[in-house]
Amino acid sequence: DVKVTQSSRYLVKRTGEKVFLECVQDMDHENMFWYRQDPGLGLRLIYFSYDVKMKEKGDIPEGYSVSREKKERFSLILESASTNQTSMYLCASRDTDPAYNEQFFGPGTRLTVL
Amino acid sequence: AQKITQTQPGMFVQEKEAVTLDCTYDTSDQSYGLFWYKQPSSGEMIFLIYQGSYDEQNATEGRYSLNFQKAKKSANLVISASQLGDSAMYFCAMREGRGNFNKFYFGSGTKLNVKP
Repeated sequence: DVKVTQSSRYLVKRTGEKVFLECVQDMDHENMFWYRQDPGLGLRLIYFSYDVKMKEKGDIPEGYSVSREKKERFSLILESASTNQTSMYLCASRDTDPAYNEQFFGPGTRLTVL
Repeated sequence: AQKITQTQPGMFVQEKEAVTLDCTYDTSDQSYGLFWYKQPSSGEMIFLIYQGSYDEQNATEGRYSLNFQKAKKSANLVISASQLGDSAMYFCAMREGRGNFNKFYFGSGTKLNVKP
């Protein structure tokens, strides 16, 4: 079974803090993704990575950066957390083999910025 | 323009009846994929069904089927014989891109409530 894990289920941080959200997958997937989920807006793509050290901006990258130094790990960084970054953050990974299609999601991190 | 549109924020269905969740998409790519995911109140995202843009037959997985109408750019999810455990948020999604380079777009979701 594919497993995608995220470092925390719940996180509370203060405005201005630097925040690291970690995601690890155990199936050697090339693609990894970070989304935020907000009520009424669905999932919005923040950043994705199609290989080690390769990253691309998604639809809402402002205020975020990412790091992928190893294939299994994709980190989302909030350089200076703000209250409007309070949200559910979901990580996903995917095999690029055309025989497989779906993304596998982690359990999510609910981040509250005070 | 929205890539994925789900126009039903919430729906009710009676247990054992069928229900259709609407999804329309927007792309100029010839090759793309369409997905449906279920998110129960526990929060995990569960993959339900996939339809490739070149697939001529509608995808089916157990009680789930995807009504794919390419000319209308719609990919509605049909759940037959609803069960109480089907109560959840449902997200439609689309993949664009080729090879390693893939972007995914999600709709805003439909909250389905199954009544006993």
